[in-house]
Amino acid sequence: AQSVSQHNHHVILSEAASLELGCNYSYGGTVNLFWYVQYPGQHLQLLLKYFSGDPLVKGIKGFEAEFIKSKFSFNLRKPSVQWSDTAEYFCAVNGYTGNQFYFGTGTSLTVIP
Amino acid sequence: DTGVSQDPRHKITKRGQNVTFRCDPISEHNRLYWYRQTLGQGPEFLTYFQNEAQLEKSRLLSDRFSAERPKGSFSTLEIQRTEQGDSAMYLCASSFRGGEAFFGQGTRLTVV
Repeated sequence: AQSVSQHNHHVILSEAASLELGCNYSYGGTVNLFWYVQYPGQHLQLLLKYFSGDPLVKGIKGFEAEFIKSKFSFNLRKPSVQWSDTAEYFCAVNGYTGNQFYFGTGTSLTVIP
Repeated sequence: DTGVSQDPRHKITKRGQNVTFRCDPISEHNRLYWYRQTLGQGPEFLTYFQNEAQLEKSRLLSDRFSAERPKGSFSTLEIQRTEQGDSAMYLCASSFRGGEAFFGQGTRLTVV
């Protein structure tokens, strides 16, 4: 079955620390990859997306992600986190059979001022 | 706001009652999705429409759940004979031709 794994369930960082959140998916075919963020009390918002082309994609608020096809990974990075980055982060994939989006279980990020 | 809107935002119902939720997608989006999210979990797929056609439905979705999208515009999700296990956040999302999904604020259902 298709699946998305996020290995970091809870991450706590101090402001200005670097961030890397892992995401692996199980499907070997052509996929579209996404990172969504959910700030406290708000709806899911798109951080960045990868459909094709340059495997290093840049998103909003200084986030970037790298698609490594050989590793089935799409890790999210930010060089220097801010307190306002405290949120839940979800990796998602579509392009499997059908058109639904498959989500990971999410990573809760807490940034300490 | 021209994003995805969901109504109501919160619903408390007694076990055994029926509930219906509405989703208004972004107007030019032809694809509409329903997801369910519980605490500490990622969104779980329920069903998907392309225009008015319901093309995919999760195997986890019991017969108590039904969704419609008449005329390919707004959608409704109905849960019949609600159970406590149905308590969750119900999310609606829309997309255009397989692009990224835009999510609504969700409807939080509490079954007591």
